[in-house]
Amino acid sequence: DQQVKQNSPSLSVQEGRISILNCDYTNSMFDYFLWYKKYPAEGPTFLISISSIKDKNEDGRFTVFLNKSAKHLSLHIVPSQPGDSAVYFCAAKKVSGTYKYIFGTGTRLKVLA
Amino acid sequence: DARVTQTPRDKVTEMGQEVTMRCQPILGHNTVFWYRQTMMQGLELLAYFRNRAPLDDSGMPKDRFSAEMPDATLATLKIQPSEPRDSAVYFCASGYSENTEAFFGQGTRLTVV
Repeated sequence: DQQVKQNSPSLSVQEGRISILNCDYTNSMFDYFLWYKKYPAEGPTFLISISSIKDKNEDGRFTVFLNKSAKHLSLHIVPSQPGDSAVYFCAAKKVSGTYKYIFGTGTRLKVLA
Repeated sequence: DARVTQTPRDKVTEMGQEVTMRCQPILGHNTVFWYRQTMMQGLELLAYFRNRAPLDDSGMPKDRFSAEMPDATLATLKIQPSEPRDSAVYFCASGYSENTEAFFGQGTRLTVV
């Protein structure tokens, strides 16, 4: 049972345009969400997070939006750069009582120069 | 520059052999995770520890996998006997608070032939 779903395995975007990566979750108890970026032959690195008390969090070119009623979050990258080409994972967990992160299957982003 | 260190980076072994993967978490982090990356499942949580105590290993095949933290600087994941379906990249991650992100090592790529 995949509690965190990334339904798009891949995405291609032109350099300078917006990249939108999507993530859906099924467990309404999740209240903390993270995005990780992963380059080949490296471990995932943390990108940005959002708590369920917010609906938006911004860090430079990266913005995460959370729609709790739809159980959906998205990562926007503006403007996209070739160095952003990587696999992006979303992850979710309950803040209280557990350290257990549940990850999606990832979306491979390719930014075309 | 603090980082999670995993050894070995690559391991090729024959079916039936024992495999041990090691992880040195970031000093001061009290939570350690083991994840497995596969194409179909993305990043699957196998086990995690807090203050060296196992909190959840429900994602781990119990008959052949075992995870331990002999001390605060070492976590191990052992597979005995190994099978071809265990071939994957295994990541260790550590963190120090339930409200912050986990930091990942570079992974151990395991190939069982």
